[in-house]
Amino acid sequence: DIQMTQSPSSLSASVGDRVTITCRASQSIRNYLNWYQQKPGKAPKLLIYAASSLQSGGPSRFSGSGSGTDFTLTISSLQPEDFATYYCQQSYSTLYTFGQGTKLEIK
Amino acid sequence: EVQLVESGGGLVQPGGSLRLSCAASGFTFSPYWMHWVRQAPGKGLVWVSRINSDGSSTSYADSVKGRFTISRDNARNTLYLQMNSLRTEDTAVYYCARVIEAADYWGQGTLVTVSS
Repeated sequence: DIQMTQSPSSLSASVGDRVTITCRASQSIRNYLNWYQQKPGKAPKLLIYAASSLQSGGPSRFSGSGSGTDFTLTISSLQPEDFATYYCQQSYSTLYTFGQGTKLEIK
Repeated sequence: EVQLVESGGGLVQPGGSLRLSCAASGFTFSPYWMHWVRQAPGKGLVWVSRINSDGSSTSYADSVKGRFTISRDNARNTLYLQMNSLRTEDTAVYYCARVIEAADYWGQGTLVTVSS
């Protein structure tokens, strides 16, 4: 199975900060990498698919990059509504594994 | 409006069974692959299973293989997850999701609690 490892596991930042979250795959997954945002008590929401494509309706401050095994999610200027948990997910293999999540908290 | 509504969760004893349903509306259900994802209380997302558009191909996480069965009824626009031999570690909110390249729509989730 392909393992997905996110870093950091948690992160404190302030409104207006630029934030980067990293996701590493245990083998090459080409660009089959998705990012989700989840707020407490809510279903996840798709942010980025295919490593760098912004989901329709998603804010342009979110961007994704990478290919192969190393990927990043960047939030260019944190807004209050961005404090949430973020997950990467690979869709390269038939077992669509998630990373362990990165909790983004207000500093 | 795309909607996915899960049902069928509840309290079950270890070794018991439950069948979850996911009713789809607001889109043409039959062409889409569908997935189940779960989340134990306070924990991260875990992919559980997926089914292709006509139900001829399925995949499962190792942790549920041989115990869970995913299926669909395209005439009823409904996805199912039959869960047998339930264990305490299966306790979680179960989400269904519509998948193209990624899971673009999710249900609100249904809670399954396995406890004696």
